[in-house]
Amino acid sequence: DQQVKQNSPSLSVQEGRISILNCDYTNSMFDYFLWYKKYPAEGPTFLISISSIKDKNEDGRFTVFLNKSAKHLSLHIVPSQPGDSAVYFCAANGGSQGNLIFGKGTKLSVKP
Amino acid sequence: GAGVSQSPSNKVTEKGKDVELRCDPISGHTALYWYRQSLGQGLEFLIYFQGNSAPDKSGLPSDRFSAERTGGSVSTLTIQRTQQEDSAVYLCASSLGGAESDTQYFGPGTRLTVL
Repeated sequence: DQQVKQNSPSLSVQEGRISILNCDYTNSMFDYFLWYKKYPAEGPTFLISISSIKDKNEDGRFTVFLNKSAKHLSLHIVPSQPGDSAVYFCAANGGSQGNLIFGKGTKLSVKP
Repeated sequence: GAGVSQSPSNKVTEKGKDVELRCDPISGHTALYWYRQSLGQGLEFLIYFQGNSAPDKSGLPSDRFSAERTGGSVSTLTIQRTQQEDSAVYLCASSLGGAESDTQYFGPGTRLTVL
């Protein structure tokens, strides 16, 4: 059973608008979450993270929100740019040895 | 400095053959992870090395999979008697230590195709 779920396989947004990518998790013991961005034929690149002691973390155009009671996190990109077009993976650091547990990803397309 | 490197970038093999995939982590990183991404799936954890300690093999899908890490640096993932379901992108990541706040940096991956 999937412990980290990204229910939207794709999202299309107009340049300049907000992109909101969602992620749900099932294990309340998870306490550290990350977003990675992946371009074709490249490895995932770390984007932003959040600890469970916080409910928001911001880095430039990227903000991650965490709602522990709902076991839900989201990534906001404002304003969206065509170069943001990629697959975004949500991950929880909850493996027994610090391994990441990933969702299946959401493919974001930002239209000029 | 240099990032995580992996070789080969692509590997096509016949069912039943053995393959070796190589990972060069970032210099000074003690933690090394192998993941794989099958088509349409997220990344699946395979194995973890921390320094010179015995690896955590809990994620390996079968006993055909094994991995080594020599001298606490370079790692090799070996798949024996490959099957078509082994076709995937195999990704290696390294981090400074094993703490959850240590960012895992990924290599570009090896795309394995088993015919």
